[in-house]
Amino acid sequence: EVQLVQSGAEFKKPGESLRISCQGSGDSFTKFWIGWVRQRPGKGLEWMGFIYPFDSDTRYSPSFQGRVTISADKSIGAVYLQWSSLQPSDTGTFYCARAPIPVDPHFDYWGQGTQVTVSS
Amino acid sequence: SYEVTQPVSVSVALGQTASITCGGNDIGDKNVQWYQQKPGQAPVLIIYRDNIRPSGIPERFSGSNSGNKATLTISRAQADDEADYFCQVWDTNTVVFGSETKVTVL
Repeated sequence: EVQLVQSGAEFKKPGESLRISCQGSGDSFTKFWIGWVRQRPGKGLEWMGFIYPFDSDTRYSPSFQGRVTISADKSIGAVYLQWSSLQPSDTGTFYCARAPIPVDPHFDYWGQGTQVTVSS
Repeated sequence: SYEVTQPVSVSVALGQTASITCGGNDIGDKNVQWYQQKPGQAPVLIIYRDNIRPSGIPERFSGSNSGNKATLTISRAQADDEADYFCQVWDTNTVVFGSETKVTVL
């Protein structure tokens, strides 16, 4: 069974850095793209980007390019989403999700979500 | 940027049929996905490429897509179908999600 397991909730202050993780198993990581999706309170889903862990080929949404970094460590089956300087507007729930292809994708398996709260 | 429009809410009587629309310019030329999300849970893919159900998704869920509108149909609605539903497309190398439609089963 495909499982994507994300790291736990985070509470951060503005300006702090953060890296959250998404851990998968076997083929769920080596042969598929893993995307990140943001959901802010009362708002819909926003695609941030995705990565192919096998070679770390990464694609970003124009809305998030330069604001976050997506990376992977295929040796341990992990994908990361990183911020260098958080802002309150970064508060939300972040999901990793598997996509079979990076062009015209659908997301067939999702992690449980990581709640990130940024507040002074 | 491409935009898709969903109704804020849809109500359906138990056992009846609900239709949720996803509107967009020439959306019929795109592949449309649908996700179901219940409170406190991650989204679940229920339809992809307009009308394909992943394994384990009940046949009561079906999709269609033509012209400027894609539609998710829930037949014989059950209490467990009460959830938020999102459509999703791909445009100009970007994943685009619609805003959620809250489905209430009466």
